[in-house]
Amino acid sequence: QIQLVQSGPELKKPGESVKISCKASGYTFTDYAMHWVKQAPGKGLKWMGWINTYTGKPTYADDFKGRFVFSLEASASTANLQISNLKNEDTATYFCARWGRVMDAWGQGASVTVSS
Amino acid sequence: DIVMTQTPSSQAVSAGEKVTMSCKSSQSLLYSGDQKNYLAWYQQKPGQSPKLLIYLASTRESGVPDRFIGSGSGTDFTLTISSVQAEDLADYYCQQHYSYPYTFGAGTKLELK
Repeated sequence: QIQLVQSGPELKKPGESVKISCKASGYTFTDYAMHWVKQAPGKGLKWMGWINTYTGKPTYADDFKGRFVFSLEASASTANLQISNLKNEDTATYFCARWGRVMDAWGQGASVTVSS
Repeated sequence: DIVMTQTPSSQAVSAGEKVTMSCKSSQSLLYSGDQKNYLAWYQQKPGQSPKLLIYLASTRESGVPDRFIGSGSGTDFTLTISSVQAEDLADYYCQQHYSYPYTFGAGTKLELK
């Protein structure tokens, strides 16, 4: 069955970096784009952008240009999200989601807490 | 950016009730090339990741109970739950994928009356 398994919770200080992974199984990784969604504590969903898993080309929403990087380890069927120069407002759960018809399979979420 | 407005923000319901929630977009989501509305609905239960319910405004995802019904076109969309069950208590989000950025509504929270 289709599964997206994300890395574990992270506790970071402001200014540090974090890398979140999303390992896919149960389908051909390069056949489906991977999207990323942010959910701050107690808040709604915010679309961050996506990465073409065949070409590696990322597309970012405006609010996520600059400090956010989507990347791939295609041989490992893994998509990554790296956030640099972390700020308190980056505290959130980050979801990866496969784009089939729409976001038809989601990871369990990776929690990032930024606190001094 | 297309703004998605969901109402109500929360709704208290009893099991067996019919529930409707609204999602309005600031621009039409109807693509003239294929006459499809690029609107999806997701359900998120507490502590879980979102789950796809409906895509293209009215197509139910495989395995989703038929009590979930999506309707609407253009800028006005509705998610109806024909007879709410206890397991349907959750947050519901609409999302447009007509144009970047693929914006979500703020959500409708279904609570127990």
